[in-house]
Amino acid sequence: QSALTQPPSVSGSPGQSVTISCSGTSSDVGTYDRVSWYQQPPGTAPKLMVYEVSNRPSGVPDRFFGSKSGNTASLTISGLQAEDEADYYCATYSSSSTVLFGGGTKLTVL
Amino acid sequence: EVQLVESGGGFVQPGGSLRLSCAASGFTFSSFWMHWVRQAPGKGLVWVSHIEPAGVTTYYGDSVKGRFTISRDNAKNTLYLQMNSLTTEDTAMYYCVRAGVSYGLDVWGQGTTVIVSS
Repeated sequence: QSALTQPPSVSGSPGQSVTISCSGTSSDVGTYDRVSWYQQPPGTAPKLMVYEVSNRPSGVPDRFFGSKSGNTASLTISGLQAEDEADYYCATYSSSSTVLFGGGTKLTVL
Repeated sequence: EVQLVESGGGFVQPGGSLRLSCAASGFTFSSFWMHWVRQAPGKGLVWVSHIEPAGVTTYYGDSVKGRFTISRDNAKNTLYLQMNSLTTEDTAMYYCVRAGVSYGLDVWGQGTTVIVSS
C-alpha cells in the first residue's frame, strides 16, 4: 500500500492560481475515478473539497477544480485567497478496496 | 446536524490496548461505510480501516492489520476501533469519518488523541 505522491509545498500570491499534483499508479488513480481532495487548516479536521476526481460538495467554491490525466490527479485553486492557506491531501481507493492518501501539500499564500 | 464524536483516546504503554468509540448523529448511520483515519503529530493523514454498513466486511491498512479491529453497532449508531499491541508508532490523532455515496470522505469528527509511551 504505497502512498500517493504529492509535492511537499506550493505557494502563490493572492489572485493567482496554483496546481497540486497527486501521482499514483495504474492500479489506483489510473483505473478508478475515485480521487478525492481534502483541505486541512492548522489545528482542524480535514474537509472534503473534491470527490470523484472533479465533483465539488455543496458549499465548496468553484475556484477549486479537480482533474485527472493517466495516473496523476490534480487540484487547481484559482483566485487564491488568504483563507486557502492549508495542507491539502489527495486520496483514492485502490484495487484491493483499501484507501490511499497522499503525503500532503502545504499551500502558502504569499 | 450531521455529527461524529470520537472518544476513548488517552495515554497507554507500549504493548497495551485501547478502544476508541465514535458516536454518530444526524444521519442514517446504518447506511454508510465508516472509516478511521489517523494523523501522527506534524505528519500526514494515514488511512487505518473501513467497514461496510452491515458490519460484515472490513479492510485494514498494512500497519495495523492483525492488531486493530473495526466494528460497529448500528442500533447504537456507534463505530469502534479496538487497538491491541500498541507501539509508539500508533501515537496519533484518530479521526472517525463517514464515506459519502460517491467515495468522498464527507464527514469528519474532531478526533481523539492516542499517545503510546513508556
